[in-house]
Amino acid sequence: SAVISQKPSRDICQRGTSLTIQCQVDSQVTMMFWYRQQPGQSLTLIATANQGSEATYESGFVIDKFPISRPNLTFSTLTVSNMSPEDSSIYLCSVEREWNNEQFFGPGTRLTVL
Amino acid sequence: GNSVTQMEGPVTLSEEAFLTINCTYTATGYPSLFWYVQYPGEGLQLLLKATKADDKGSNKGFEATYRKETTSFHLEKGSVQVSDSAVYFCALSSIGGTSYGKLTFGQGTILTVHP
Repeated sequence: SAVISQKPSRDICQRGTSLTIQCQVDSQVTMMFWYRQQPGQSLTLIATANQGSEATYESGFVIDKFPISRPNLTFSTLTVSNMSPEDSSIYLCSVEREWNNEQFFGPGTRLTVL
Repeated sequence: GNSVTQMEGPVTLSEEAFLTINCTYTATGYPSLFWYVQYPGEGLQLLLKATKADDKGSNKGFEATYRKETTSFHLEKGSVQVSDSAVYFCALSSIGGTSYGKLTFGQGTILTVHP
């Protein structure tokens, strides 16, 4: 398995502000992903964070709202921009070991927007 | 596109009861199938997986068999414990093209086991 940490673990933010979430992995990985889990809901993929190029976003998610950085093979950030209460969710990063197709998740960042 | 449908919950059982959580999927090609578990206050953990038809994934007494003919991956356990109380997610992973590695999740099933 992979050891994945996320910062912050939780935050309470005001409407209109932005929050950057960090994801750190204990070893180099090619595939990193960002998911959102809205209250009482399942997980939805936001984007794939590509090292050295722009992230690939899923339908319904755009770069202006969720800019992502991937400066190296062990680190990524997700920014939630111009937040509204609808952005209140748990945000999770995950990594995949390509040789066994298994994906491991970070502990998540619980975001509340007032 | 890909989709995963889980049985509606929540599910409430007594300790030592038999558990089945149904999961069916729609996907192109031959996806890998997973069950993830989220214990109260904890992160998402991989419980088991199967990568091809007729494979059986197993872990911690849980089992699921990849049934291509019925596009199903039902989770079973013969005797549940209070410590199995959690949310269970069925998921599939595309293994080719531009969708490689992306997980599609079911809606999750809340399991509560009473002593």
